[in-house]
Amino acid sequence: NAGVTQTPKFQVLKTGQSMTLQCAQDMNHEYMSWYRQDPGMGLRLIHYSVGAGITDQGEVPNGYNVSRSTTEDFPLRLLSAAPSQTSVYFCASSYSRWDSYEQYFGPGTRLTVT
Amino acid sequence: KQEVTQIPAALSVPEGENLVLNCSFTDSAIYNLQWFRQDPGKGLTSLLLIQSSQREQTSGRLNASLDKSSGRSTLYIAASQPGDSATYLCAARVTGANNLFFGTGTRLTVIP
Repeated sequence: NAGVTQTPKFQVLKTGQSMTLQCAQDMNHEYMSWYRQDPGMGLRLIHYSVGAGITDQGEVPNGYNVSRSTTEDFPLRLLSAAPSQTSVYFCASSYSRWDSYEQYFGPGTRLTVT
Repeated sequence: KQEVTQIPAALSVPEGENLVLNCSFTDSAIYNLQWFRQDPGKGLTSLLLIQSSQREQTSGRLNASLDKSSGRSTLYIAASQPGDSATYLCAARVTGANNLFFGTGTRLTVIP
């Protein structure tokens, strides 16, 4: 099992550019989510998905889009990058949306927007 | 909204010492609490998950406790080693919520 994988590891964008952060898991997990980690703040939820075809917003969704066409993949799209989106992005998955299951995190993508 | 606090932000201890990391949360209606380890520039590794019905969980030299009534969880590390140096994060799952609420972490340095 590769677990949760994310690409790219690092990315530099100019303001206004768009890009997609990739996330995949091979554990047949139903629930997937995206968090961002900023200095001095805890990780915050951007978007989540409870299964293929079903997504919803988290705490800080503005400027980001997601889709879930397969169980395995959950890409995060930045529509028009802004310096405020400079952050480390983590994808996570768990077996079910139900609260008792442990969450597994990917290695992260470090994004800088200039 | 659930607020999770970890104090201190940083801690240095000599090798071999036993230590306790603290995590406090404001909403006692949590479903579970998870402790993670994060190495510099890396992702989060899950250490222990405590369900709300449990008081503690153990894995090797690690022991995590949960006291919902006081809004506290502790992570006890026995006989610390330099390899334990990392940032430790706690995260609470509130009943009915879709996300984990994270603390900002405690950066632990174990000095050889």
